[in-house]
Amino acid sequence: DVKVTQSSRYLVKRTGEKVFLECVQDMDHENMFWYRQDPGLGLRLIYFSYDVKMKEKGDIPEGYSVSREKKERFSLILESASTNQTSMYLCASRPSLATGANVLTFGAGSRLTVL
Amino acid sequence: QKEVEQDPGPLSVPEGAIVSLNCTYSNSAFQYFMWYRQYSRKGPELLMYTYSSGNKEDGRFTAQVDKSSKYISLFIRDSQPSDSATYLCAMSAYLSYGQNFVFGPGTRLSVLP
Repeated sequence: DVKVTQSSRYLVKRTGEKVFLECVQDMDHENMFWYRQDPGLGLRLIYFSYDVKMKEKGDIPEGYSVSREKKERFSLILESASTNQTSMYLCASRPSLATGANVLTFGAGSRLTVL
Repeated sequence: QKEVEQDPGPLSVPEGAIVSLNCTYSNSAFQYFMWYRQYSRKGPELLMYTYSSGNKEDGRFTAQVDKSSKYISLFIRDSQPSDSATYLCAMSAYLSYGQNFVFGPGTRLSVLP
């Protein structure tokens, strides 16, 4: 089974701090995604990456950046955390469309609180 | 009209009941239909997915897709308290690019002992 690992389950940060959320997948998937999940708003796509060093903006990229230096690792960066970025952050991966089903496998989530 | 509609619940049933969870959608291009289970403060776990129309069964879980009605269902037989969670439906189009996953808001299910 694909395993998507988010290293930090719970984080508490202060406004203005730089925050790194790390995600690693172990099944050689080409595509990786970052979502945030908020009550009443559901899942919203922040960024996705379809290859190493490649990234594309999702629906709500403002205030976030990403890094994908290695195929298995996709990092979400909050350059200057704000209270409205308090949320559950979910990383997901998917195989290339040529080799696998167009379904997502999620990590356990990182719950970020910004004070 | 939203792309995916799902009754948010909450839905409470007694242990052993058959549970029916449903989503409707508007985009006829969707080909993959997924059901995720999400426990509180955890990430969504893929329960099962169906490609195109038809039924798929896995243990106590059955997924049905009716593309003509744009309606998908997840049935849980002999429901257990451990099934208490939020169930998300999700859809994507075949060969779609990264942004084309659409999620329902989730139905919160409680199975009472």
